[in-house]
Amino acid sequence: GENVEQHPSTLSVQEGDSAVIKCTYSDSASNYFPWYKQELGKRPQLIIDIRSNVGEKKDQRIAVTLNKTAKHFSLHITETQPEDSAVYFCAASNGNSGYSTLTFGKGTMLLVSP
Amino acid sequence: NAGVTQTPKFRILKIGQSMTLQCTQDMNHNYMYWYRQDPGMGLKLIYYSVGAGITDKGEVPNGYNVSRSTTEDFPLRLELAAPSQTSVYFCASRSGGLETQYFGPGTRLLVL
Repeated sequence: GENVEQHPSTLSVQEGDSAVIKCTYSDSASNYFPWYKQELGKRPQLIIDIRSNVGEKKDQRIAVTLNKTAKHFSLHITETQPEDSAVYFCAASNGNSGYSTLTFGKGTMLLVSP
Repeated sequence: NAGVTQTPKFRILKIGQSMTLQCTQDMNHNYMYWYRQDPGMGLKLIYYSVGAGITDKGEVPNGYNVSRSTTEDFPLRLELAAPSQTSVYFCASRSGGLETQYFGPGTRLLVL
């Protein structure tokens, strides 16, 4: 089955700095890679996703890059703000099958200090 | 739309007791999922369903059962609660044409 590794487990930055979270996956058939943000005591919420036919995707201060050859993908947050503080999860799935499921990384706790 | 709803929000169980965690979605999604989230361990898939009457095991199904009699509801059953089942349980759903999963607010379960 799929295995997703996520690093770092914790990340502390100053407000305004950039933050990068990296994930690797094992199944070369995986073709869908979402990122979820989970605030303390809340549900995970999708912030951005990318498919394997795209190398990069941006949404305002958030971007995701994908390297299919190396089987890794990264989340980039620019101009971080205190409200970006949360746990971020990457995931991977093979979206070709109706039975496709998401495999999650263990999460990165991002702390943005004012 | 209420989206994905879960009940109860919090429950304390004694070892050996049984309970059902409820999950309902009003988005007419075919696909539904149950995850458990332990500290520092991410989300692990327990069971999932691709439509009414169809369920399948995920990564950590032992100690749990599910049923899917309607499109809207996907209850998770714990028959003999064990301390190892102390966790936060999330239900999620998605439509057939899109990969995005939408999560419920979660149920925090403590087994003592």
